[in-house]
Amino acid sequence: AQSVTQPDIHITVSEGASLELRCNYSYGATPYLFWYVQSPGQGLQLLLKYFSGDTLVQGIKGFEAEFKRSQSSFNLRKPSVHWSDAAEYFCAVVMDSNYQLIWGAGTKLIIKP
Amino acid sequence: EAGVAQSPRYKIIEKRQSVAFWCNPISGHATLYWYQQILGQGPKLLIQFQNNGVVDDSQLPKDRFSAERLKGVDSTLKIQPAKLEDSAVYLCASSLLGTGANVLTFGAGSRLTVL
Repeated sequence: AQSVTQPDIHITVSEGASLELRCNYSYGATPYLFWYVQSPGQGLQLLLKYFSGDTLVQGIKGFEAEFKRSQSSFNLRKPSVHWSDAAEYFCAVVMDSNYQLIWGAGTKLIIKP
Repeated sequence: EAGVAQSPRYKIIEKRQSVAFWCNPISGHATLYWYQQILGQGPKLLIQFQNNGVVDDSQLPKDRFSAERLKGVDSTLKIQPAKLEDSAVYLCASSLLGTGANVLTFGAGSRLTVL
């Protein structure tokens, strides 16, 4: 079955440290890939997306993600986190012709001062 | 451009009561989605509209949930009667088209608590 896995439920990072959030999917072909962020009490905001082309994509707020076909992964990175990055991050994937988004369970990012 | 508007932001009801949520998508967006997000989980699609037609409602509990988008613009999601397990945030989203290479814009959500 098609699925999206975010293996880390919570991640705690010190302010100023680097961040990597993992996302893996199960699908034979190349999907459309998205990362969304949800701040407390807010809706979901698109950080970045990958459809084709360069496998390293830049997003808003200094985030980037790299699509690795061989690993079926689309990990989100940021070189230096800020306290305002504390939020929940969702990976979402479109994997087949019905074009439905399949969502990961989310990773909650906690920033240590 | 104005974002996706949702109301009310918060609603507390007792089980077996009814509730309705309203969504106004971004102007010109043909596709409208209702998602249910239970605490600690990713969003779950309840229903997707393309203009005023239903594209996918396979995960909508039709015995108690209903949704409409009569004029192809704003939409209402209703729950009647509510159960405890319906406590969640109901997110509305819209997009220009309903194809896979398409970005959804979300509203702030309507948080429902069923007591």
